[in-house]
Formats: sequence, C-alpha cells, structure tokens
Amino acid sequence: AQSVSQHNHHVILSEAASLELGCNYSYGGTVNLFWYVQYPGQHLQLLLKYFSGDPLVKGIKGFEAEFIKSKFSFNLRKPSVQWSDTAEYFCAVKSSGGYQKVTFGIGTKLQVIP
Amino acid sequence: DAGITQSPRHKVTETGTPVTLRCHQTENHRYMYWYRQDPGHGLRLIHYSYGVKDTDKGEVSDGYSVSRSKTEDFLLTLESATSSQTSVYFCAISESRDTEAFFGQGTRLTVV
Repeated sequence: AQSVSQHNHHVILSEAASLELGCNYSYGGTVNLFWYVQYPGQHLQLLLKYFSGDPLVKGIKGFEAEFIKSKFSFNLRKPSVQWSDTAEYFCAVKSSGGYQKVTFGIGTKLQVIP
Repeated sequence: DAGITQSPRHKVTETGTPVTLRCHQTENHRYMYWYRQDPGHGLRLIHYSYGVKDTDKGEVSDGYSVSRSKTEDFLLTLESATSSQTSVYFCAISESRDTEAFFGQGTRLTVV
C-alpha cells in the first residue's frame, strides 16, 4: 500500500524566510503528486500538481515543488514566505487508478511570524 | 472556487442518532468523494461515487453509508452516530478519475 510522509508537522518562520516542506512517498510505480493548502477555517485548495514532464512544477502564490523520482520525494518550496502563507499544507500521492487512490499526508502547519 | 456546497456547515448531535450530510455541486463532475479530517491523520477517504447510483467504499467506511440519486448531490449518512465520528467532513469533486479534486468548505460534526 502506498504511504505519504511529511517530515515536519509544525514549522515556524519569519517573514521573508525561505520555505521547504518535505514530502516522501512509498510506491514503486507511476505516481501523480499534489500539494494542497488549507488556510485557517477554510477548505483545501490545490497549490500545484505533478503528472508528467518537467519535474520542477510551479504553482500558485509563488510556490514550486520538485519531483525527484530516485528519492521518492516531492518537496514544496517558496523563496520568501509572507504572513498570509500561514496555513496547513498537505502532500498527496495518487498511484495507478483513479483519484480514489489518493493518499494524503498528515499535514504540516506553517506559522509565519511578521 | 468550484461550485460545491456542503450542508450543514456545523452540527452537534447526540450519540446514537442518525445524521445526514449533504454535498451539492454545480460543476456536473462525475466523481464525488467524502473525506474526514482528523488531527494526526490528515484526510481519509470514507466513500466515493463514480456516477449516479455508483458508489464504493474508501479507507474508513465503517459506520457510514452514502447515496447518489442525482449527479449533483452526494449524501453521507451516519446511521447511528458515535463520538469517534466527531470530525470535519469534506466533500470533493473531480471531473475524471485522473484529475485533481476540488474540495467543499467542510462540515464540522460534533457527536456528544
């Protein structure tokens, strides 16, 4: 069975600091990868996705992620965070089959201090 | 935002009572999903639907049932609510089995 591991459960950064959130998955076949963001009291919104092609994926709000197949990783990055980036971030992986096969990580809470 | 409406948004109910949560979409998407979100567990799939009257179980389906009589509506029923079902429930939709899902605003359910 596939699984997703998010290494940092709670991250605190000052504004303008760089961000990298780790995500590793365990599945040997072809995968699709997602990062979702959940702002306080809100629903999940898609930040970015990887299906195929360029392993460096750019998403909304200046976020990007790099798929490194050899490391089974899909880390999320942002060069300079803002207070408005305070949210919970979820990595998700879909193996072969439909979206019902998506597995979510437990999430990383990011707190940005002004 | 995708046209997804969940109702109610908040509910408090007593142990042993039946509860139905509703998800309504205006996107005409084929696939609909119910998830629950709990601290330390992320999101876990309860049930999903791949068409009218076509549903299947997810990872944590015990104690839940679903129905989909119309494309736009997907109902989640807790036949006899228990305290372990206190959670935030999210509905999601996707256009096809291979595309990403879009989420509703969530329903916070408390079982006392």
